Amino acid sequence: QKEVEQNSGPLSVPEGAIASLNCTYSDRGSQSFFWYRQYSGKSPELIMSIYSNGDKEDGRFTAQLNKASQYVSLLIRDSQPSDSATYLCAVKGDYKLSFGAGTTVTVRA
Amino acid sequence: GAVVSQHPSRVICKSGTSVKIECRSLDFQATTMFWYRQFPKKSLMLMATSNEGSKATYEQGVEKDKFLINHASLTLSTLTVTSAHPEDSSFYICSASGRGVARSDDTQYFGPGTRLTVL
Repeated sequence: QKEVEQNSGPLSVPEGAIASLNCTYSDRGSQSFFWYRQYSGKSPELIMSIYSNGDKEDGRFTAQLNKASQYVSLLIRDSQPSDSATYLCAVKGDYKLSFGAGTTVTVRA
Repeated sequence: GAVVSQHPSRVICKSGTSVKIECRSLDFQATTMFWYRQFPKKSLMLMATSNEGSKATYEQGVEKDKFLINHASLTLSTLTVTSAHPEDSSFYICSASGRGVARSDDTQYFGPGTRLTVL
């Protein structure tokens, strides 16, 4: 069983729309959760971290965490072509991050 | 803040040679550094974790004698791929977490990666 699962994608959204990315994890004891964005051929860059249940907003990005459901999501509002990338959900275990396979988002102009 | 650099960004070498990749935290003390490998269209694979001044901890299936890791200071870790072969060709990425960054100490910040091609 995979530790971190993401909706497989690819996800195609029109410019200006909301992109919704989902992630579930298996380790109920996890406390730290991260979303990274990775452009093709580049390394991941941190978008947001979240540690408490509820929503956390940063600009056009909103992360949502529900530890009881072992679920974390990322919403991208007003999607722009520059948001086209692969989004990685990461969950911290005892010392390392477990990554999902990633969801590729394409924003259509 | 939280900038991690890697050098070189790209290297091409002949089979059998060794290649050293440097990873530096520029504006914070990296108490822990991680080395990942990523094949095309695949997710990140953790190779090893290193804490400053300690021996690296390798993930299962990663040959520690082939991938030598040194974390000699709070700002520098190196990965040496010894006797490289074509199957070692990949995108190698380091990340660092530690003290002195605005966000939580457990956040990992990634370097830009090193693309290794072994001929």
